[in-house]
Amino acid sequence: GENVEQHPSTLSVQEGDSAVIKCTYSDSASNYFPWYKQELGKRPQLIIDIRSNVGEKKDQRIAVTLNKTAKHFSLHITETQPEDSAVYFCAARLLMDSSYKLIFGSGTRLLVRP
Amino acid sequence: GAVVSQHPSWVICKSGTSVKIECRSLDFQATTMFWYRQFPKQSLMLMATSNEGSKATYEQGVEKDKFLINHASLTLSTLTVTSAHPEDSSFYICSARVAERNSPLHFGNGTRLTVT
Repeated sequence: GENVEQHPSTLSVQEGDSAVIKCTYSDSASNYFPWYKQELGKRPQLIIDIRSNVGEKKDQRIAVTLNKTAKHFSLHITETQPEDSAVYFCAARLLMDSSYKLIFGSGTRLLVRP
Repeated sequence: GAVVSQHPSWVICKSGTSVKIECRSLDFQATTMFWYRQFPKQSLMLMATSNEGSKATYEQGVEKDKFLINHASLTLSTLTVTSAHPEDSSFYICSARVAERNSPLHFGNGTRLTVT
């Protein structure tokens, strides 16, 4: 089955710096890659996603890149702010018939120091 | 946007009792709902896929007789943890999506279960 690996597990950056989180996936059939932000005790919130027919997508300070050949995708946060501190999860969609199964990475705890 | 409501948000129960968690899609019909479990500082692990009108599909290692899932309507799925034990204590989160092929997943607020 699909396996998603995420690095680093923790990331500490100074406010204003950029943060990059990387994920790799194993199943070449995966075609949808969302990123979720989860604050302590709360639900994961979708922050950006990318489909396999696109190499890069940007939304203000957040961008995601996808390399299908290498089977990895990355989240880039620029001009980080303290409120960006949270746990970030990448995920990959495993296409199985009509199901919509999302497999999550292990998470990255981002700390933005003021 | 699509809203998923989960209830209760937290519950404390004694070992051996059963707990039911509800997941509702408030403003859309969800043909498929997913139940995840998250232990502290860990990732979301998919437990089962709940399909309206049919049996749930459980992930490997998840006991279907212990975690009963019912998806009786297009807006409601329930997860019942039967004969709960302290090791079942966890954060349970449901998610749902609209029927469109590439629609994103929307998560409920989660239920923190503590079994004493």
